[in-house]
Amino acid sequence: QITLKESGPTLVKPTQTLTLTCSFSGFSLRTSGQGVGWIRQPPGKALEWLTVLYWDDDHRDSPSLKSRITITKDASKDQVVLTMTNMEPVDTGTYYCVHTSATSDDALDIWGQGTLVSVSS
Amino acid sequence: SYEVTQPPSVSVSPGQTARITCSGDALPQQYAYWYQQKSGQAPVLVIYKDSERPSGIPERFSASSSGTTVTLTITGVQAEDEAAYYCQSADITGSHVVFGGGTKLTVL
Repeated sequence: QITLKESGPTLVKPTQTLTLTCSFSGFSLRTSGQGVGWIRQPPGKALEWLTVLYWDDDHRDSPSLKSRITITKDASKDQVVLTMTNMEPVDTGTYYCVHTSATSDDALDIWGQGTLVSVSS
Repeated sequence: SYEVTQPPSVSVSPGQTARITCSGDALPQQYAYWYQQKSGQAPVLVIYKDSERPSGIPERFSASSSGTTVTLTITGVQAEDEAAYYCQSADITGSHVVFGGGTKLTVL
């Protein structure tokens, strides 16, 4: 059974850098075809793709946020870390960690519960 | 930048058929995925690769594709199907992944 859980700060100040960790189980990012990513959702608004990192270190990033986001993995710890720089109030929302794989044809087949991040001074 | 477009809302009575569309220029070349998000919960995948249903998703959920539009169909809608539904796809290169704006399904 695949599970993912997000952790990190619930409140960050404008201009600060956000660091979120996704801890997962039930699969390994050392296995071909596996991927972990981040999706966010502002309160009352639509889902937004941020980035996905694959087992081979390839990644697909949002073009509009590419300059601000970094995704890395620690396969030995079964963790993926999202870093987003220069946070602004518009970045407030729920951040979801997601699993994808070649066997699901790149669908986001398992989601974490999400973590709410507020950006405010 | 690439976009896929959904209607903001759809309303149906229990037992009727709900159809939610998603339109985008690259949909003939790129797969579409559908997610259901109930209030206060994380999204759940209900359709992948245009029309495939994951295990555990009821048979009343189906999807089809025609040209630049894909359609999620819920046959025999139940009260528990009330949720927001999101379409996901990518631009022609496959590198820019997007979600639609979401469709709120109301069961009257």
